[in-house]
Amino acid sequence: KQEVTQIPAALSVPEGENLVLNCSFTDSAIYNLQWFRQDPGKGLTSLLLIQSSQREQTSGRLNASLDKSSGRSTLYIAASQPGDSATYLCAVRRDNDMRFGAGTRLTVKP
Amino acid sequence: ETGVTQTPRHLVMGMTNKKSLKCEQHLGHNAMYWYKQSAKKPLELMFVYSLEERVENNSVPSRFSPECPNSSHLFLHLHTLQPEDSALYLCASSQDRLNTEAFFGQGTRLTVV
Repeated sequence: KQEVTQIPAALSVPEGENLVLNCSFTDSAIYNLQWFRQDPGKGLTSLLLIQSSQREQTSGRLNASLDKSSGRSTLYIAASQPGDSATYLCAVRRDNDMRFGAGTRLTVKP
Repeated sequence: ETGVTQTPRHLVMGMTNKKSLKCEQHLGHNAMYWYKQSAKKPLELMFVYSLEERVENNSVPSRFSPECPNSSHLFLHLHTLQPEDSALYLCASSQDRLNTEAFFGQGTRLTVV
């Protein structure tokens, strides 16, 4: 059974810092990995999708990497802003199922 | 606007009530999903529909009954729920059910009293 772990569970940084969020998974037989953002009480917003054959994807200040063989992905956020404060979730897909981690709650202080 | 719309946004229901959650996607996708998000737990997959056929039922109690009348609409019918069913219910869609990007709605916050 696929297990997805996100470390750290919570992170607080001052505005302007670069930061890395980590996601690990136990079964490397995945189709893709997707990073989401969730604001309190709201739905999920897709940030980046990495197919299993890819190593990384970039969108603006966000860069996600994937090392499928070691079961790891990282989300790099450059020059963090208070508006980046949210919970960040990673999910790995295999067949019909997307397995989610518990998320990293990020707070960026002005 | 994410392209996936859920109604209602909030719902309070008694344990003997019957209610339905609605999800509509405007993205032309062929796969739709229901997820449950409880406090301090990862999202849990409940049901998957592909081309209007249910392809996954993730050991969900029968008090939850999904319906997919067409590729754009997905319902979750609720009856005789328990307080522990209180959660955020999220609908998602993707082009297919294998390896394409998933898009989520804003969710329905359900409280069972």
